[in-house]
Amino acid sequence: GQQLNQSPQSMFIQEGEDVSMNCTSSSIFNTWLWYKQDPGEGPVLLIALYKAGELTSNGRLTAQFGITRKDSFLNISASIPSDVGIYFCAGQLANFNKFYFGSGTKLNVKP
Amino acid sequence: DAGVTQSPTHLIKTRGQQVTLRCSPKSGHDTVSWYQQALGQGPQFIFQYYEEEERQRGNFPDRFSGHQFPNYSSELNVNALLLGDSALYLCASSNTNSPLHFGNGTRLTVT
Repeated sequence: GQQLNQSPQSMFIQEGEDVSMNCTSSSIFNTWLWYKQDPGEGPVLLIALYKAGELTSNGRLTAQFGITRKDSFLNISASIPSDVGIYFCAGQLANFNKFYFGSGTKLNVKP
Repeated sequence: DAGVTQSPTHLIKTRGQQVTLRCSPKSGHDTVSWYQQALGQGPQFIFQYYEEEERQRGNFPDRFSGHQFPNYSSELNVNALLLGDSALYLCASSNTNSPLHFGNGTRLTVT
């Protein structure tokens, strides 16, 4: 099946630092979603992207739909302790209803 | 506005038993998707229901079946449980104008 390569697998950063993570695939996607999951909870939608090149922000979070449609990036600026969690990317192929998920980026923020 | 609700939150079953998990979609959503999330991994697509029909299916055996009711709620059934079925089962709802919104999942443990 399809594979989304999400990196890095984990990050340890200082509060206030900026963070970048990305997802790549060998396939072309027509939708990219970014989620955050806290322990014991379901993934919470952060940002949805629908067009190649699209750049969308949600507060301190910014995500981009890659021009090649095979990748997407999520940036978090000025990280705070509550940013701790696991971030997942999800991509949808054209004419398919299911989303493929990356394996997650575990973010740790030191106060 | 209630989001996606799932029940039960936790469940312990024995190998060979059968289990039914339930999901109520977010208000205004008509499509329900089920995902399996093993520990430390991203969610894997099981199937999707729309208009009470299974619209798409992932790589899961026939032991996994589902149903959608006229009020858009859904059930996931797993027969002949295996130890490897232990996971967090996530329900996500959506519609044509809204991407996947997840519930907090049902943690299934098979002993």
